[in-house]
Formats: sequence, structure tokens, C-alpha cells
Amino acid sequence: SYVLTQPPSVSVAPGQTARITCGENNIGSKSVHWYQQRPGQAPVLVVYDDTDRPSGIPERFSGSNSGNTATLTISRVEAGDEADYYCQVWDSASDHAIFGGGTKVTVL
Amino acid sequence: QVQLVQSGPEVKKSGTSMKVSCKASGYTFRSNGINWVRQAPGQGLEWMGWISTYSGNTKFAQNFQGRVTMTTDTSTSTVFLELRSLTSDDTALYYCARETGLGGDLEYFDYWGQGTQVTVSS
Repeated sequence: SYVLTQPPSVSVAPGQTARITCGENNIGSKSVHWYQQRPGQAPVLVVYDDTDRPSGIPERFSGSNSGNTATLTISRVEAGDEADYYCQVWDSASDHAIFGGGTKVTVL
Repeated sequence: QVQLVQSGPEVKKSGTSMKVSCKASGYTFRSNGINWVRQAPGQGLEWMGWISTYSGNTKFAQNFQGRVTMTTDTSTSTVFLELRSLTSDDTALYYCARETGLGGDLEYFDYWGQGTQVTVSS
């Protein structure tokens, strides 16, 4: 079974780049999806299948996945990006969704 | 546009059951399964299980086996989550989420309900 490890928090100044990691052995062989959850709101999909963005999600959000780490990168960070971010994979063997523990992004 | 609208907040006593609904609109209901995800106060997202809106087949996380039921009413495009033998640990926001239906690794959640707060007190 997968255990997706995320750092609990990341702090970044406005205009800088935030990188949020999601670690698991050989995660590069899976498709990883990312969600943003602003305070008091439901999660929103921001990246799917490692690198793709749903319509309406700014290009500032990008993803990568290789080896043992998947990464969500937020470029030119804005105050509105302050939120919790979760990675997710689907475990086909058990037909279960697996979420990472979440990373709180704080904009300084 | 795709919408998932959930039922309102509930307050339950320990040992009783909860039943939350999720009404879908804006797409062909039977084309995409519905998952339930919960979030305890200050905690992360926890996947509870999945129901096929086409066949009614279900799959549950180990933590909930034996006390969870998921059902569908295709006539109203509504999915229901029932959780029995509630304890204070079940106090959480419960979300329904539409899966893509693409299968395998490409099962992710493209639309979410607004969440339903369930509070369990002794």
C-alpha cells in the first residue's frame, strides 16, 4: 500500500516559487494528482496526471514526477495561493485512492 | 455546469447513524463514479470509498468496512453515504467527489461537493 509523504508546511514570499513534494518509493511509475484546499472550502483539482492542468487553473501551477518524488510547483506565488495542498494516487491493486498528508503553503 | 450539492449539517449521538446525500447535475449521472472523502477537524483528506453510479458496485477503505453503505438513486441522480455506530472520531466534513471514470491511475476527482459537517456528540 502506498504512503505518500508531504512536508507539513512550506513558506514562500510573494513572487517567489513554492515547491511541494510528494514522496513514495517509485512514485514516478504512477500518475499523481494535486488538489488545492483554501480555508473553509472544498478541494479543487489543480494538476492531474503528473503535469496537466484543468481548464481555469493558472499556468503558474505545474507538476513533475520522477523516481521517488512528485513535485507541485507554484511560480510567482500570490497571496491567494495560501492553502493546503494534497497529492493523490490511485492504488489499482486495492482500488483505493491514497492521499498525502497535505502541505500548508504560507505566503509571507 | 457540473455540480454536486450535498445535504445539510447533521448532529448525531454516539452509537447512531448518519446519512448524507450528494445530488449531481450537469452531466450524465451514470458516466462517473462518486467517491466519499472526509476531513476531521484540522486534519487531512481521508478516502472512504467509491460507488459506481452505473452498476452500484462499491469499494470501501479498510477503516470503514462493516459500518459504511453507499447507494445511488438514479431517478434523482443522488448518491447516499450512510455510516453507522458513530463515535466522536467520526466528527468531520464529508465530501462527495466525482471521479473521472478513466480507470486505473487516471482516477482522480475533478468535481467536489461543498461538504457536509457531521458532528457526533456523546
